[in-house]
Amino acid sequence: GENVEQHPSTLSVQEGDSAVIKCTYSDSASNYFPWYKQELGKGPQLIIDIRSNVGEKKDQRIAVTLNKTAKHFSLHITETQPEDSAVYFCAAKRSGTYKYIFGTGTRLKVLA
Amino acid sequence: EPEVTQTPSHQVTQMGQEVILRCVPISNHLYFYWYRQILGQKVEFLVSFYNNEISEKSEIFDDQFSVERPDGSNFTLKIRSTKLEDSAMYFCASSEEGTIYFGEGSWLTVV
Repeated sequence: GENVEQHPSTLSVQEGDSAVIKCTYSDSASNYFPWYKQELGKGPQLIIDIRSNVGEKKDQRIAVTLNKTAKHFSLHITETQPEDSAVYFCAAKRSGTYKYIFGTGTRLKVLA
Repeated sequence: EPEVTQTPSHQVTQMGQEVILRCVPISNHLYFYWYRQILGQKVEFLVSFYNNEISEKSEIFDDQFSVERPDGSNFTLKIRSTKLEDSAMYFCASSEEGTIYFGEGSWLTVV
């Protein structure tokens, strides 16, 4: 069935360093890949997304890359700050469906 | 910035009781969703709703669950007879097309 694997489950970085989170999806028909940030007790907030016709997208300190052949996509956060500390979820969606398949989450801790 | 709002933020209920979770989606959105997140686990799809009917549902969304859009603004999730394993954070979400936006969640504890 559809599945999204996410690694690592936890990640600690020093403030100013980069963080990379990776996801692999199983459904080759997936064509939309959002990333969500979830702070404690809150709902997931969209931070960046990418569609299957694009290989890379950047928004200030955040970038996402997609490798359709390998069926994996990654989130890159540069110059991390303490307020980047949160749980990050990747997700995948195929065309014609309303269902997002989420990864298992990565707890990012940025150490000051 | 428009947002999805949910009530209640937290509800404790006895096993076997009915629960209704309420949501006000973003006003110009046409697609509505419920997801849930068991503590420490990933977010799971329950159901999507479009044009006043369920468009897709997961295996989690069994006969104990139902959704309704009783008026032009609210979207509700009803659990008829709650079980202990229904304890989770329930997120409502909405979209115009494509990107979905989540509410803050309703934390349901079944005791």
